[in-house]
Amino acid sequence: QSVLTQPPSASGTPGQRVTISCSGSSSNIGSNYVFWHQQLPGAAPKLLIYRNDQRPSGVPDRFSGSKSDTSASLSISGLRFEDEADYYCVVWDDSLRGGVFGGGTKLTVL
Amino acid sequence: VELVESGGGLVQPGGSLRLSCRTSGFTFGAVALNWVRQAPGKGLEWVSFISGTGQTIYYADSVKGRFTISRDNAKESLSLQMSSLRDEDTAVYYCARGMGNFDFGIDHWGQGTLVTVSS
Repeated sequence: QSVLTQPPSASGTPGQRVTISCSGSSSNIGSNYVFWHQQLPGAAPKLLIYRNDQRPSGVPDRFSGSKSDTSASLSISGLRFEDEADYYCVVWDDSLRGGVFGGGTKLTVL
Repeated sequence: VELVESGGGLVQPGGSLRLSCRTSGFTFGAVALNWVRQAPGKGLEWVSFISGTGQTIYYADSVKGRFTISRDNAKESLSLQMSSLRDEDTAVYYCARGMGNFDFGIDHWGQGTLVTVSS
């Protein structure tokens, strides 16, 4: 069982907005930056959001991140078929003294 | 920015293996590095962290005492020495760059190298 809790799956139709949650605790999300990574089928992960809500250059502004207390979320607006992938939140945990990943959310675009 | 892992392969339970990560496109000693693994069909699992200077190191409990992370800033290389390997260590191992000298946050990934532990 992961320290960070994500829904195992999410879905939407093209053009819709989808939000993926990531729930943690005071020792991880509550005190450190949250990062989100996208993993397309058969590929290595790729950074999507860093430091809670920042987008790297090249990531469309359809992707946004937010954080409140011990939870974070990733929102994808204007959903596209190419967004079908696994999405992971990750953060440093001060109590465990290590990195912790969410279990991942598989996004399906119907 | 490029990270390229090597050294993966098939090893018997109880055996050892050394992974390497070759990097380019950035100032190697200025950033922390991580190893992250992914078992077949499973999610991502953080394995180990080393700061840019190499003075601060952390391990996941699942590998503590069996794996050793190291870096040579002069040679711009990162390594993961794995010993007492178990079936559950079977995974793709990724080298992943942090955003600063002591910053865990990952901003770039390698393509991964597959480690298979099996008799």
